[in-house]
Amino acid sequence: DAKTTQPPSMDCAEGRAANLPCNHSTISGNEYVYWYRQIHSQGPQYIIHGLKNNETNEMASLIITEDRKSSTLILPHATLRDTAVYYCIVNRIISNFGNEKLTFGTGTRLTIIP
Amino acid sequence: ETGVTQTPRHLVMGMTNKKSLKCEQHLGHNAMYWYKQSAKKPLELMFVYNFKEQTENNSVPSRFSPECPNSSHLFLHLHTLQPEDSALYLCASSQDGTGRYEQYFGPGTRLTVT
Repeated sequence: DAKTTQPPSMDCAEGRAANLPCNHSTISGNEYVYWYRQIHSQGPQYIIHGLKNNETNEMASLIITEDRKSSTLILPHATLRDTAVYYCIVNRIISNFGNEKLTFGTGTRLTIIP
Repeated sequence: ETGVTQTPRHLVMGMTNKKSLKCEQHLGHNAMYWYKQSAKKPLELMFVYNFKEQTENNSVPSRFSPECPNSSHLFLHLHTLQPEDSALYLCASSQDGTGRYEQYFGPGTRLTVT
């Protein structure tokens, strides 16, 4: 699996957009970029994923560069409840009867400041 | 609520005890996972079941024994654990194990071995 690099921590003011970067320079063509977050002592929560195109859902937007070597997760209007550790993971697609596993790194600890 | 439930939420056990952790998913998924999260460490994958077959054992000691009687239920049987096994144990499920689909996590069981 491709490795990812994220800043260990970031702050963002409440109500502003939070932009979380991720580098995945060794990503290969069959690997998706996934984002999860973990609020203290809870199970991780899926946010969004993408392959090549930018994606948006009710939680966030995912911007993937054209060369796919980096991406940015955008939380458009951060609230205090968005304070969490955010994980960027690349996940390989394999055959229907195989298995693929998520490899979590240390993520970015995002703190939303009132 | 993610559709993945875990019981018990907290467990304290002695090193000579035998206990089991239970996970149930109500999402119709075919892949289920056990993860371990020790204090200040990334999540570590322990086991993967895809269509009820164990497809991954990530070098986990034999004192941890998984069981997947059907696609909706997953157990982790524990015996003669060590204090360093104290951690948050998380269960997750996904539509299948190919990597195309996001994983949904339960709230976890906080295990303390005394």
